[in-house]
Amino acid sequence: GQQLNQSPQSMFIQEGEDVSMNCTSSSIFNTWLWYKQDPGEGPVLLIALYKAGELTSNGRLTAQFGITRKDSFLNISASIPSDVGIYFCAGRRYSGGGADGLTFGKGTHLIIQP
Amino acid sequence: DAGVIQSPRHEVTEMGQEVTLRCKPISGHDYLFWYRQTMMRGLELLIYFNNNVPIDDSGMPEDRFSAKMPNASFSTLKIQPSEPRDSAVYFCASSPLFRDEQFFGPGTRLTVL
Repeated sequence: GQQLNQSPQSMFIQEGEDVSMNCTSSSIFNTWLWYKQDPGEGPVLLIALYKAGELTSNGRLTAQFGITRKDSFLNISASIPSDVGIYFCAGRRYSGGGADGLTFGKGTHLIIQP
Repeated sequence: DAGVIQSPRHEVTEMGQEVTLRCKPISGHDYLFWYRQTMMRGLELLIYFNNNVPIDDSGMPEDRFSAKMPNASFSTLKIQPSEPRDSAVYFCASSPLFRDEQFFGPGTRLTVL
């Protein structure tokens, strides 16, 4: 099946630092989404990208849909303690029969050191 | 506005027992998805419905798993008989027509002893 390669697997940063993570695939996706998951909770949608080359911001978060449609990245500026969690990229593609469900990356575990 | 509701939040059962997980999607959403999350395999799509009709169940692990959506506001995922390897967090998500954003419930943590 389709695979999303998400990196890095984990990040240890200082409060105030910027964060960058990305997802790549061998397949084209029509939509890229970024989610954050806190312990014991479901993933919460951060940003949705629908167009190749699209750059979208949500507060301190910025995400881009790669031109090739095979990658996406997420940046977090000036990290704060509540940014701690697991970030997932997800892609959705449209096959002949309609849209498929989401394919998820393995996640980037963000840890912020005081 | 209520989000996706799942019950129970936690389920502990013994191998061989039947398990039923429940989901109420966001009102007005046309799509409903069931996912499973484990440390080893991450988040995996099991099945999804469009307007209560199952569209793709290729992710359902085996015949022990079944899912139904009798109406627009309710879906169940059933495992019978359950096995220890079914232990995972099961998420339900819904999305509106013509949008790909999926909204997840809080999940059901299933432990099969």
